[in-house]
Amino acid sequence: AQRVTQPEKLLSVFKGAPVELKCNYSYSGSPELFWYVQYSRQRLQLLLRHISRESIKGFTADLNKGETSFHLKKPFAQEEDSAMYYCALSVDSSYKLIFGSGTRLLVRP
Amino acid sequence: GAVVSQHPSWVICKSGTSVKIECRSLDFQATTMFWYRQFPKQSLMLMATSNEGSKATYEQGVEKDKFLINHASLTLSTLTVTSAHPEDSSFYICSARSRGGANVLTFGAGSRLTVL
Repeated sequence: AQRVTQPEKLLSVFKGAPVELKCNYSYSGSPELFWYVQYSRQRLQLLLRHISRESIKGFTADLNKGETSFHLKKPFAQEEDSAMYYCALSVDSSYKLIFGSGTRLLVRP
Repeated sequence: GAVVSQHPSWVICKSGTSVKIECRSLDFQATTMFWYRQFPKQSLMLMATSNEGSKATYEQGVEKDKFLINHASLTLSTLTVTSAHPEDSSFYICSARSRGGANVLTFGAGSRLTVL
C-alpha cells in the first residue's frame, strides 16, 4: 500500500541551525514526491517537487530510492520558515496525492 | 498564479441537514479536483477525485452517498455533506489540477464544518 511517513510531529531549532525534516515513503511504482508547506493561517502551497531538482527558499530535497526517502533540508533555518510541512506522494496517473502526517517546524530566535 | 477558492470558509449546521461546499478554480480550468478531509492536528485524508463531466472516484471507506461530489464544469466542483452528523465536523479542503498542467495541485483555503 502507498504510504508516507513523517516521523517527527515537531521539530524545534534555533535560527541559523541546519534543518532536516524526514520523509519516507512506501510505493511499489515509480514515485513522484513533493513537499508542501502551510504557514500560519494560510493555505497549503507547493514548496518543491523532486523532479524539478530545485532549491526553493533555501530548501532542497533529494529522492533516495534505495532508502525510499525524500528528506527536506535547509542549511540555515530562518524564523519565517516556521510552518507545517507535509511530504506527499503522487501515485499512478491519477495525480492524487497521499500526504504524510506533517511536521511542524519551529524556528526560535 | 493559479487560485482556488472555497466557499463557505466556515459553516455551522444542525444535525440532519445537508451542507454544500463549493470549490472554484478562478483563473484556470481544472479537469481534476480532489477533496480532502483534515481532522485537528492530523494530516489530509483524500476523500475523492472529481473529474469534470464524470462520476467522482471515492477512496476506500468514504461513503459516496454521504459525501456527494459534483464536477459540472471545468471551474467548479461541489461537495455536499448529506444528513450531517457531529462526527462529520471537520476541515474540508479541495485542490485542483489545471488542464494540461504539470502534476502540481493548487489548494483552496479550506472549509470548516461544524455540525451541532
